[in-house]
This record gives sequence, C-alpha cells and structure tokens, in this order.
Amino acid sequence: NAGVTQTPKFQVLKTGQSMTLQCAQDMNHEYMSWYRQDPGMGLRLIHYSVGAGITDQGEVPNGYNVSRSTTEDFPLRLLSAAPSQTSVYFCASSYSIQTGGLGNSPLHFGNGTRLTVT
Amino acid sequence: DAKTTQPTSMDCAEGRAANLPCNHSTISGNEYVYWYRQIHSQGPQYIIHGLKNNETNEMASLIITEDRKSSTLILPHATLRDTAVYYCIVKYETGNQFYFGTGTSLTVIP
Repeated sequence: NAGVTQTPKFQVLKTGQSMTLQCAQDMNHEYMSWYRQDPGMGLRLIHYSVGAGITDQGEVPNGYNVSRSTTEDFPLRLLSAAPSQTSVYFCASSYSIQTGGLGNSPLHFGNGTRLTVT
Repeated sequence: DAKTTQPTSMDCAEGRAANLPCNHSTISGNEYVYWYRQIHSQGPQYIIHGLKNNETNEMASLIITEDRKSSTLILPHATLRDTAVYYCIVKYETGNQFYFGTGTSLTVIP
C-alpha cells in the first residue's frame, strides 16, 4: 500500500491563479480530509468527506473547493490564490463510522504540499 | 476549537522516559484520546489512542486518569529521533473530524 499520496510536493503560484492539490489513498478509506498548517501553528481542518459524493466544511473552508467523485481521490481546489493561502497542506484519510468503520479509527496522513502564493 | 491543553515545550534526556501531559477536563464519555506526532514538517504520525483503559503499543504507553480529565503519553526510552511536536486530541466516537491544537514540542537532548 502506498497509503496517502499527495501531489505536487511543492508549488509556487501568483496571486489570482488557480490550481488543484491532488490527494489519493489506496486503503479503501471512506473518510478523507484536508488540513492546512501555517508556520508555528497546529493543523486546521479545511474540508472533509465521509464518502463519495459527500463533502462538508471544516474550520477554515473559505477560498477552497472540494469534490469527491471516487473513494480514492479527494482534490482540493484553489480558485483564485491569495498570499494568505501560503501554507503546508495535508490530506488525511481513515475508515468512517458512517459506513461501518470503527469509531476510533486513526487518521493516516500524506506528506504534504508546500504552497507559496506570491 | 481544541478541547485539550498541553505544555508548549518540554525537554527530555536521551534514554530517559518522556512523559507528555494533556488536560482534557471537558471530555465526554464517548470521546477517545488520541496522540499524534509530527517530525519536522512531515505529515502527522499516529501514535496511540484510548478511551478509558491504559494502552500500550510498540511506540508508547497512554495513561488516562480515572476521571478521564487528563492523560499522559509515555515514551519509555526517548531517542533523538523522538524530537517532534506531539498532539493530544479528543474525538467523538461517532464523528470523524480530528481537531488539532498547537501541541507540545519535545526536544530529546543527547
């Protein structure tokens, strides 16, 4: 198993540009989520999904869109990048209580995408 | 918002036990306590979790007080590679969302 794979590892954007951060997992996890981590801070939840076709907002959803067309993939879209979105982005997945998984399943994280918006 | 309180930083001598405390005084009966760590800027790594009983695995031990209002993560023989930020998180059994605080920065000193 590759686990949770994030691409790209690094990205530089100019203000106003759009891009999609990719996240894929091969563990058949129903739950997937996106976090951002700013320097010296903990992780903040952006969006999450409990299964294909279902998404919801986390703590800091503004400026980001997500969709979940398959169980494996959960892309994060920045429609018009802003310098405030400069951060490290982590994708994570786990089994989901809603689809019969254990309520205490831990999250598995990818290695992150380092995004700089100038 | 984070439901846990952790010290900002701690030091531990190499080879000694590292004891990382966490307060979660508002924890409810069906909330689990999880511990993760993050080395440099890598993705957080799952360490251990528990509900009521103490737990042990190959990485660490988790001691939860009887009233469940606090817990301690124990790394029995700390190595330099254990230098990391350690996060204590509580999560409802019926929910999937993990909310991270700022954690404890543990430095293992040679």
